[in-house]
Formats: sequence, structure tokens, C-alpha cells
Amino acid sequence: DIQLTQSPSSLSASVGDRVTITCRSSQIITSYLNWYQQKPGKAPKLLIYAASNLQSGVPSRFSGSGSGTDFTLTISSLQPEDFATYYCQQSYSFPYTFGQGTKVEIK
Amino acid sequence: EVQLVESGGGLVQPGGSLRLSCAASGLTLSNYEMSWVRQAPGKGLEWVSYISSGATTIYYADSVKGRCTISRDIATNSLYLQMNSLRAEDTAVYYCARAPSNYYGMDVWGQGTTVTVSS
Repeated sequence: DIQLTQSPSSLSASVGDRVTITCRSSQIITSYLNWYQQKPGKAPKLLIYAASNLQSGVPSRFSGSGSGTDFTLTISSLQPEDFATYYCQQSYSFPYTFGQGTKVEIK
Repeated sequence: EVQLVESGGGLVQPGGSLRLSCAASGLTLSNYEMSWVRQAPGKGLEWVSYISSGATTIYYADSVKGRCTISRDIATNSLYLQMNSLRAEDTAVYYCARAPSNYYGMDVWGQGTTVTVSS
């Protein structure tokens, strides 16, 4: 199975900060890497698909990059509504797997 | 409006069974790849099962293989997950999610249905 390791597991940041979350895969997954945002009690929301493509309706402050085994989610200027948990997920091969999550909290 | 609505969760004793449903509106399930994803209390997301758009390809996580069956009904435009021999570790919120293909990620999710396995 492909393992995804996110770092950090949590972070504290202020509104307006630039935030970067990384996701490392145990195998090459080309660009089959997706990013989701989840708020408490809610379903996950797709932010980025295929490593760097912004899902329709998602603010442009979110961006993704990477290929192969190393990927990054960047929030250019953190907004109050961005405090949530973020997950990466690979859709390269089954079983699909998720990273363990990164909780973004208010400093 | 595109919507997925799960139902069928509840409290069940260990060893029991449940059938989860995911009703689709505003989209035709047979045009999409569909998955079930679960989240245990306070934990991360875990992919559970997948069915291809043509229903010809099905996959399960090792944690549920042999105990769960994914299926789809074109007439009712619904997705199902039959869960048998339930264990305490199956306790979770279960989400259904669609993907146009594996390239596009899971772009529409239901609100989730809660399964609690306890005596």
C-alpha cells in the first residue's frame, strides 16, 4: 500500500500568514495527489486535484505543487475560514490512501 | 443541485449487519466512480470501498474485505454498502463520494451517516 506522510501534523498561524503543508508518498504517484479541507462535523471538501489543479469554486489563495513523491499545499494568506484540518490523498492505485491530516489552528 | 445523501447508519451489536445507502440527485451515479470513505471518532479519513462507473471494477480496503459489499442500483440512482460481521473498530462516520475519474479527486461528498458498533 502507498503511505502518505503529512507534515506538520498541526500548526498555529495567524490570519494573513503564508502556510505550507507537505505530503510525501512512499512510492511514485506521478500527479495523482489530491488535497481536501475538513471542518469539524462536516464532510471533506476537495481543494486541489491532480497535485496542482484548483477545484472550481475554491479561492485562489490555495495552490498545490509537486509530482512523483513530494507534494505541497500552500495557503498564500490565511483567512479565518481556513482554520480546519487538511488531508492529502493518492488516487494513483488501490487501496486509495490519505495522509494523517494537518490541523491548522489560530495562533 | 448535485447532492449525495447517506442513510442507514445506527447502533448495532458486534457481529451484526447494516446496509448503508447513498441517494444521488442532480447526477447519474453510473457516470461516475464512487467510493465509501469513513472516519472513526477523532481520527483521520480512511478509504473503504470503490466501484467503477460501469460497476465492473470493485475494490475494498483490507480492513473490510470479506465483510462488506459495495453495489449500485441504476433504477434508484443509489449506492450501497452492505456491512456484515461488524466490529467495534468499524465505528465511524461513513461518507459516500463521487469522482469523475481518479485524476479529478472526490469532488462531491455526502453529509455522512454514523455507524456505532457496541454492545
